[in-house]
Amino acid sequence: AQSVAQPEDQVNVAEGNPLTVKCTYSVSGNPYLFWYVQYPNRGLQFLLKYITGDNLVKGSYGFEAEFNKSQTSFHLKKPSALVSDSALYFCAVRDGDRGNQFYFGTGTSLTVIP
Amino acid sequence: ETGVTQTPRHLVMGMTNKKSLKCEQHLGHNAMYWYKQSAKKPLELMFVYNFKEQTENNSVPSRFSPECPNSSHLFLHLHTLQPEDSALYLCASSQDSRSYNEQFFGPGTRLTVL
Repeated sequence: AQSVAQPEDQVNVAEGNPLTVKCTYSVSGNPYLFWYVQYPNRGLQFLLKYITGDNLVKGSYGFEAEFNKSQTSFHLKKPSALVSDSALYFCAVRDGDRGNQFYFGTGTSLTVIP
Repeated sequence: ETGVTQTPRHLVMGMTNKKSLKCEQHLGHNAMYWYKQSAKKPLELMFVYNFKEQTENNSVPSRFSPECPNSSHLFLHLHTLQPEDSALYLCASSQDSRSYNEQFFGPGTRLTVL
């Protein structure tokens, strides 16, 4: 079965410090992996994706994520957090070999403390 | 942000009412989706339309009825809902449902069923 796990409901980080939001996945075929961000009263916004190629993917607003096949992980990172990064972050996976569904995690609430 | 619009943004309805949610995308996409977002739960995919044809119905109760008159518009007709149907309903679109392209989300309709 396809699934995504975001083990942390809440992540707090001080402004200027590096941040990591964790995601692990389970798919039968090749994983297509995505990160989205949701600000209050807004829809989800696409940040970045991994389809194939370089394991380190760079996306919007200075975010990046590293695909680790052996650990089935796709953690979101940023070298220096901003207060404006505070939001809800969702990891999603899609089975590239079959089906057309996205499977989303439960979300991680990131708070950047000034 | 204005690529996918949803109306109304907020809706309060009784269990015997009939109402409709509307979604419109201005991105030239061919696939559209309805999701249900409840607190502390993964996004639940409800329906998928690809080139106006419904391709997914994830065991959604019949009190939810989708309609896709063209590739730009998607409706969700609601009738005899239950209080547990209260949630944020998100519409999304993508180039098509069989690709690895990311989805673009609308701001959602916050539905409250009394």
